[in-house]
Amino acid sequence: AQSVAQPEDQVNVAEGNPLTVKCTYSVSGNPYLFWYVQYPNRGLQFLLKYITGDNLVKGSYGFEAEFNKSQTSFHLKKPSALVSDSALYFCAVRDKGTDKLIFGTGTRLQVFP
Amino acid sequence: GAVVSQHPSRVICKSGTSVKIECRSLDFQATTMFWYRQFPKKSLMLMATSNEGSKATYEQGVEKDKFLINHASLTLSTLTVTSAHPEDSSFYICSARDGTTGRENQPQHFGDGTRLSIL
Repeated sequence: AQSVAQPEDQVNVAEGNPLTVKCTYSVSGNPYLFWYVQYPNRGLQFLLKYITGDNLVKGSYGFEAEFNKSQTSFHLKKPSALVSDSALYFCAVRDKGTDKLIFGTGTRLQVFP
Repeated sequence: GAVVSQHPSRVICKSGTSVKIECRSLDFQATTMFWYRQFPKKSLMLMATSNEGSKATYEQGVEKDKFLINHASLTLSTLTVTSAHPEDSSFYICSARDGTTGRENQPQHFGDGTRLSIL
């Protein structure tokens, strides 16, 4: 069965510092991986995806993620965090057969001024 | 960019009422839409896959007679919570992906969710 894991419930970082939100996956074959962000009482906003190609994927709002096949990871990164980045972040993998997204448990990012 | 509109954003109603939530893809056609439920501080739980022109596919443990799904067009899916009770109170979110041939690698886009509160 396919799955993703987000080992951290919460990540705290000071504004201006780099941030990393971790995600590891378990799939058969090549994964389709996604990162979404959720602000309070809102739906999910798409940040970036990895389907194929370059391992470093750039997305919205200055975020990027690195696909690492040997470590089965897809960590989300940003060089300089903003207070407005504080939100709930979800990693997901797409089941290619059903098109369903399988989500991780989410990581709350808190950026302090 | 692709936009999914979900309406209403918030519903407060009495126990026993049926509530309909709409999910529309505004600038693309979606042969498949998804309905999720999210509990406070929790991840999304997939409830069902809505298929245009056919019956929805429900996840294990989700009552299909309780949560009626209709996907009558390529841009609209509805979720009706029938005879709602307080335990049905939750945040419901829909998503859709552009089903056009050649756009298979496009991501799912999400509505802004519906906060349902049953008194």
